This record gives sequence, structure tokens and C-alpha cells, in this order.
Amino acid sequence: ETVMTQSPATLSVSPGERVTLSCRASQSVSRNLAWYQQKPGQAPRLLIYTTSIRATGTPARFSGSGSGTEFTLTISSLQSEDFGVYYCQQYNDWPPKTFGQGTKVEIK
Amino acid sequence: EVQLVESGGGLVQPGGSLRFSCAASGFTFSDYGMNWVRQAPGKGLEWISYISSSRTTIHYADSVKGRFTISRDNANNSLYLQMTSLRVEDTAVYYCVRGARGYSYGSFDYWGQGTLVTVSS
Repeated sequence: ETVMTQSPATLSVSPGERVTLSCRASQSVSRNLAWYQQKPGQAPRLLIYTTSIRATGTPARFSGSGSGTEFTLTISSLQSEDFGVYYCQQYNDWPPKTFGQGTKVEIK
Repeated sequence: EVQLVESGGGLVQPGGSLRFSCAASGFTFSDYGMNWVRQAPGKGLEWISYISSSRTTIHYADSVKGRFTISRDNANNSLYLQMTSLRVEDTAVYYCVRGARGYSYGSFDYWGQGTLVTVSS
């Protein structure tokens, strides 16, 4: 099973700041990685797939990069609606499809 | 508009059973693989099961294998999860999730609102 590890667990950020979230895989997942955003009381929403392709409706301030075992989600200028928990997920080697434990982005 | 609406969650005693469903609309249900993903209270996301569009391929997470059964009815655009031998640690919100196709295959592109299952005596 591929274990996904996200860092940091929590990030305190002011609106307008640049945000970088990390995701590491225990073995190579090539570029088969997705990012999701979850707000309190809501279901997760697909943001990015195949490492760097924005899903329909994902603002351009979100970008993804990486390959193999190291991945990054960057928010170029954090907006108020971007606060929540972000999860990475690998789908290179499944079952199972595995998620990271999440990074909570909160208001500083 | 793609919609996935779960129903049938609730309170069940340890060792009990529960079956819930997901009604799909806004897309050709029979063209997509479907999944169940759960989230324990205050915890992260856990994929638990997948069924292919034609039901020929089914996968389970080790944590539910032998206890849960995924199924689908393409004629009625419905996905099901039958849960037996429930444990306290199965307490979670269960999401019905569509598997993406094409270049995004492997990711989860649409999620239901979730249904809460509480296993407690």
C-alpha cells in the first residue's frame, strides 16, 4: 500500500499570502496524484488531478507540481474562501486508493 | 448537473447490519465506475470500495473486506453499500463518489453530501 504523508498538519495564513502544501508518497506514484479541498460540513471537492491539471471550476491561483514521490499544491494568493482542509490522493497503485492525512489551512 | 444523493444512514449496534444507497443523476450512470469513501468524525478520508461501470470489477479496502458489499443497479442509476458485522470504528460519514474518466481516471470528480453511520450500543 502506498502511504501518503502531508505537511504541515496545519498552516496559519493571512489572506493574500502565498501558500505551499506538501505531499509525499512512500513509493513512486508517477504523476497519478490528485488534490481535494474540504470545507467544514461539506464533501471534498476535486481541485487538481494528474498532479497539475486544474479540475473544472478550480481557480487559476491553484497550481500543482511534482512527480514520483514529492508533490506540491500552491495557492498563489490565498482568498477567504480557500480556508479548509486539503487532501492529496494517489491513484497510481490501487487498490487501495490512498489519501494523505490532510493539511488544514486556517486564518492567521 | 451531476448529483449524488445518499440515503439510509443511521444508528446501529455493534455487530449489526445496514444498507444504504446513492441515487445518481445528471450523467450516464452506466458509463462510470463508482466508489464509497468514508470519513470518521474529525478524521481524514478513507477509500473503502469500488465497482466498475459494468460490475465486472470490484475492490475493497482491507478494513471492510468480507463485511461490506458494494453493488449497483444501472437501470435505476443507483449505487449500494451493504454493511454487516459493524464495528464501532466503522462510525463515519460515508460518501458516494464518482470515479473520473479519461485523463483524470483514478481521481474522484463528484461527491455526494454524505450519510452518517453511527455504530454504538
